[in-house]
Amino acid sequence: KAGVTQTPRYLIKTRGQQVTLSCSPISGHRSVSWYQQTPGQGLQFLFEYFSETQRNKGNFPGRFSGRQFSNSRSEMNVSTLELGDSALYLCASSLAPGRAEAFFGQGTRLTVV
Amino acid sequence: DAKTTQPPSMDCAEGRAANLPCNHSTISGNEYVYWYRQIHSQGPQYIIHGLKNNETNEMASLIITEDRKSSTLILPHATLRDTAVYYCIVRVRIQGAQKLVFGQGTRLTINP
Repeated sequence: KAGVTQTPRYLIKTRGQQVTLSCSPISGHRSVSWYQQTPGQGLQFLFEYFSETQRNKGNFPGRFSGRQFSNSRSEMNVSTLELGDSALYLCASSLAPGRAEAFFGQGTRLTVV
Repeated sequence: DAKTTQPPSMDCAEGRAANLPCNHSTISGNEYVYWYRQIHSQGPQYIIHGLKNNETNEMASLIITEDRKSSTLILPHATLRDTAVYYCIVRVRIQGAQKLVFGQGTRLTINP
């Protein structure tokens, strides 16, 4: 069974640009969550999607958004990039919300210059 | 979700059992204890979870005290590949609440 796939693995963007990251969950998993990891703040929850609906949202500005498609694949978008957005962005999938046995992808390393 | 306290770092010799403690003195009756680990440059990996009974799987054992105020993750025969940051998370298990709150975790180093 394939694991959680995140693309791209690495990305370099300049300030002010926008970026879209993609996540394909494990087959059969319908819940997708996104996390940001930085050396200073650690792992922080961004948002969670289930059945194409955002179920939960972390404490991030509106520049961070996401969506989920009918096949459970998810994308997250960051607009007007700032240097502080440089981080490892992780996607996790699980069978359904509340099932905290979440399975994480390898992440997308975003560098903003 | 209840707050957890873990030692920032621990060392263990290869082949020995690694015992990682976690305090969660404010845990509620419906909150589960979950353990994840993160090996350098990889995404976190689910290890095990439990409510009040001890649990064991192919990766580890989870011992939860009777008052549920603390728990211990046991890696029975640690290998160098177990070197990672281990996170203890306490949360309810309800519909619509997938959010995981990660603390700083314990950096476990397995020494040859």
